Amino acid sequence: DAKTTQPPSMDCAEGRAANLPCNHSTISGNEYVYWYRQIHSQGPQYIIHGLKNNETNEMASLIITEDRKSSTLILPHATLRDTAVYYCIVRADSWGKFQFGAGTQVVVTP
Amino acid sequence: AAGVIQSPRHLIKEKRETATLKCYPIPRHDTVYWYQQGPGQDPQFLISFYEKMQSDKGSIPDRFSAQQFSDYHSELNMSSLELGDSALYFCASSLMIRTEYNEQFFGPGTRLTVL
Repeated sequence: DAKTTQPPSMDCAEGRAANLPCNHSTISGNEYVYWYRQIHSQGPQYIIHGLKNNETNEMASLIITEDRKSSTLILPHATLRDTAVYYCIVRADSWGKFQFGAGTQVVVTP
Repeated sequence: AAGVIQSPRHLIKEKRETATLKCYPIPRHDTVYWYQQGPGQDPQFLISFYEKMQSDKGSIPDRFSAQQFSDYHSELNMSSLELGDSALYFCASSLMIRTEYNEQFFGPGTRLTVL
């Protein structure tokens, strides 16, 4: 599975959009991009995933560049409860393990 | 909705003791994954099972073993515990559909402290 690179930390003001970048320049054609988050010592929580097209659900939007070498997770209106470590993971198969790298610590401030 | 259940939630053991962690997947889920998260570290994959057979293996020490039972619950057995085994242990479950994306649902974790 391809490696990902994320900034170590990011601050965001409550109510503003949070844009979390992820670089996956070695991604191959059959690899999906997944985003999970972990709120202090809780089990990781699924946010969203995508292959080529941009995706949106009730939690977030995922924007994948045309060359698929990078993506951005967008939390449209950050709340204090969104403070967490966000992990961008690339995985080829749809049932295998997740290899968590160093995610982005997002702190949402009032 | 039912979630992944892990027990116990907290466990304190002495060095060289044994520990057993249990995981009860979401009903009808057939795949279980175990992850270890040391202090200040990211979760690391240990082992997974599909339909009671080991499906993948990560950086799991030889002192650890695991299995999945007929009711799909799984147990992680840890022997000769070391201080470095102190960590959060997460179990995740999913339903294997090879043609579709399979979301992994994580449990709340078991915090193991080895003294």
